[in-house]
Amino acid sequence: AQTVTQSQPEMSVQEAETVTLSCTYDTSESDYYLFWYKQPPSRQMILVIRQEAYKQQNATENRFSVNFQKAAKSFSLKISDSQLGDAAMYFCALRLQGAQKLVFGQGTRLTINP
Amino acid sequence: NAGVTQTPKFQVLKTGQSMTLQCAQDMNHEYMSWYRQDPGMGLRLIHYSVGAGITDQGEVPNGYNVSRSTTEDFPLRLLSAAPSQTSVYFCASSQPPLVIQFFGPGTRLTVL
Repeated sequence: AQTVTQSQPEMSVQEAETVTLSCTYDTSESDYYLFWYKQPPSRQMILVIRQEAYKQQNATENRFSVNFQKAAKSFSLKISDSQLGDAAMYFCALRLQGAQKLVFGQGTRLTINP
Repeated sequence: NAGVTQTPKFQVLKTGQSMTLQCAQDMNHEYMSWYRQDPGMGLRLIHYSVGAGITDQGEVPNGYNVSRSTTEDFPLRLLSAAPSQTSVYFCASSQPPLVIQFFGPGTRLTVL
């Protein structure tokens, strides 16, 4: 079975600063995908970034980047130049190659202080 | 192109009542799923479908039924609602080999 753990229920950061959200996972499979989803107060699930396990290079999407450590089974999200619109719940998720199921972590609530 | 739509947005039921949460997608995706979101637990898979006529159970299927008669629609049925089913329900779809799932806006269900 796969598990995803987010050990930080809440985080806060000053506007324009950098914050890192942690995620660890467990799977015995070698082919999988990792995702970070953002859920603002509107409740909509928005894909922020994804990482293929077979790729060593860390994914980057504008101000969002990940630190993917496959051996350590760690997948952290770094948000640079934090903006007020980044305030949301952030979920880390795992999907095995060929599988339909997404396994989610418990979420981290990010607050941006102006 | 509306993406994934869900109705209703909010619903209050009494214990023992039945209802159907509707989900539709207009992207011709083969895969569709239902998740529930509870505080402190993230999203958990209830049921999923890999194509019309094919459904399977996820992590928390008890108390829920699904069917997939068309590619577009994937309704979730609660036959006898219980307070433990109070949650936010999300429908999602994807098209293999792409791995990204697209989520609907969610339905907040309260069972009294």
